[in-house]
Amino acid sequence: QVQLQQSGPGLVKPSQTLSLTCAISGDSVSTDSAAWNWIRQSPSRGLEWLGRTYYRSKWFNAYADSVKSRITINPDTSKNQFSLQLMSVTPEDTAVYYCARWLHEEGYFDCWGQGTLVTVSS
Amino acid sequence: ILMTQSPATLSVSPGERATLSCRASQSVSSNLAWYQQKPGQAPRLLIYGASTRATGIPARFSGSGSGTEFTLTISSLQSEDFAVYYCHQYNNWPHTFGQGTKLEIK
Repeated sequence: QVQLQQSGPGLVKPSQTLSLTCAISGDSVSTDSAAWNWIRQSPSRGLEWLGRTYYRSKWFNAYADSVKSRITINPDTSKNQFSLQLMSVTPEDTAVYYCARWLHEEGYFDCWGQGTLVTVSS
Repeated sequence: ILMTQSPATLSVSPGERATLSCRASQSVSSNLAWYQQKPGQAPRLLIYGASTRATGIPARFSGSGSGTEFTLTISSLQSEDFAVYYCHQYNNWPHTFGQGTKLEIK
């Protein structure tokens, strides 16, 4: 059974970098049958897909246009996890952040992390 | 692709049927999923492929539709079904979600 365990700070100052990690158990970050995603949820923006990382003979990333200039998602094969970095945050980035597994063949998000409320405030 | 759910809030009595709607701004074929979310929890997959129940989902949950119009039906509401429901299109990247329907006890 796949489980995703998130970690990271719940408070970030404006203009700084939001950093979260998602540890995977029951699957491999290097699998070629899934992609590893970050999704956030806020009252103003609803559920918003932010980006994904995946391995298909080499590593690929894809990001939402809304955050493309500020986001990095990296895999860590040694720890079987992946991370989110969102730079230059503003209060608009306050949200619950989720990591989620996307199955390549099926297409949906079948497994989610527990969520991390990140507040951007000084 | 813009996903629009209706109604925003639905008040239904336990034991009754609930019908939730989701409309896509363009065709997503059958690449549509439904999720249930309870307070403080992550979304939970209910339906994929517009009509296939995920593992462990009770038979009272059913999905239908294709193209741009989709429906989630809960045939006889149990107390644990009162939650927020989201549709999700995965026909095109970026994947997008509806804004949710809150199912509340009448």
